[in-house]
Amino acid sequence: NAGVMQNPRHLVRRRGQEARLRCSPMKGHSHVYWYRQLPEEGLKFMVYLQKENIIDESGMPKERFSAEFPKEGPSILRIQQVVRGDSAAYFCASSPGTSGYTFGSGTRLTVV
Amino acid sequence: DAKTTQPPSMDCAEGRAANLPCNHSTISGNEYVYWYRQIHSQGPQYIIHGLKNNETNEMASLIITEDRKSSTLILPHATLRDTAVYYCIVTGANNLFFGTGTRLTVIP
Repeated sequence: NAGVMQNPRHLVRRRGQEARLRCSPMKGHSHVYWYRQLPEEGLKFMVYLQKENIIDESGMPKERFSAEFPKEGPSILRIQQVVRGDSAAYFCASSPGTSGYTFGSGTRLTVV
Repeated sequence: DAKTTQPPSMDCAEGRAANLPCNHSTISGNEYVYWYRQIHSQGPQYIIHGLKNNETNEMASLIITEDRKSSTLILPHATLRDTAVYYCIVTGANNLFFGTGTRLTVIP
């Protein structure tokens, strides 16, 4: 059981480029959650997805950010036209249902 | 989700018990208390959770008051590797809302 896998671990993008962050949930987990952590701050909920459905996106910025969890393959968090303020650690968690959340090691995005 | 209040920081001597308090006075009947920790900048690590009974596992014990308005996480014999930020989360929904947590420093 490989746990929640996130890649890449580190991602550097220039302002205006697109960032794609991937999350493969634990085997048997159909619920995926994305969180963002700015330096020296706590984790902020972004979005909750089940296979092919967005359940709660109340924490997602209204523009430039999108998330998907297709029937096959990993969940993707996509940030278009990145700005310096997007620099943060992005964590993914998965669960088999409404409890038992397991987090990945995160992707550290740096926008230069 | 109910709001939680934790002290921003605590110190504990190595080998002693670390008792981390959390207030959640607005908790509702179907909400669980979860504890996670984050070591340096790693992903949060699950520690324990409970509804109203006290819970114990290989990592820690969770003591929930009878009125459920507060709880205490107990690390029975703290080690240097327990230095981390500890988050108390109360939720009945399908996601976790993290506060600022308690930064525990275990001192040699």
